[in-house]
Amino acid sequence: KNEVEQSPQNLTAQEGEFITINCSYSVGISALHWLQQHPGGGIVSLFMLSSGKKKHGRLIATINIQEKHSSLHITASHPRDSAVYICAPTGGSQGNLIFGKGTKLSVKP
Amino acid sequence: DTEVTQTPKHLVMGMTNKKSLKCEQHMGHRAMYWYKQKAKKPPELMFVYSYEKLSINESVPSRFSPECPNSSLLNLHLHALQPEDSALYLCASSPVQGDSPLHFGNGTRLTVT
Repeated sequence: KNEVEQSPQNLTAQEGEFITINCSYSVGISALHWLQQHPGGGIVSLFMLSSGKKKHGRLIATINIQEKHSSLHITASHPRDSAVYICAPTGGSQGNLIFGKGTKLSVKP
Repeated sequence: DTEVTQTPKHLVMGMTNKKSLKCEQHMGHRAMYWYKQKAKKPPELMFVYSYEKLSINESVPSRFSPECPNSSLLNLHLHALQPEDSALYLCASSPVQGDSPLHFGNGTRLTVT
């Protein structure tokens, strides 16, 4: 069983839609990262959170440590949001990232 | 623009070549990381340097040799690679190792022929 499960694996949305990507993990963690990777490779760190909720522009990330679950929400989605979104909790004694397989989001105009 | 700079952006090398990948950051971060990413897969951790000392080596073959000459620079020396080593190599840094935000470079796309 994977330590980090993301859903959905693929998501197609129309511009303007509200999007939710979910992440469940089975390991004990101290923090969780949400990352964005565009075609071509570069990765951008969107959030690092260990409790509650964080908001940055149209992006909102939440985490429930007791339920071992995190969500990434995108409000008023735009084609430029098209990317792979990766959930990556930090676990282990040295705080390594444990990567989910990613959610490929495509937002159509 | 990323604050972690990786060079070159693309590299094609033969199996007998020796080449190096370079990574640079000037944010004062004391932890630096090398990741390998195959197509449609998540990144895999290779090495972590903390305060210029090798902290983690994830059982990487010796044909990959990391080096951290100072707190701003991280190199990955490549020798006698195999075609299956073709991948995107990502460098990242963070203020300290562990629970701190990561900053990634744009990667070097390596092709081994």
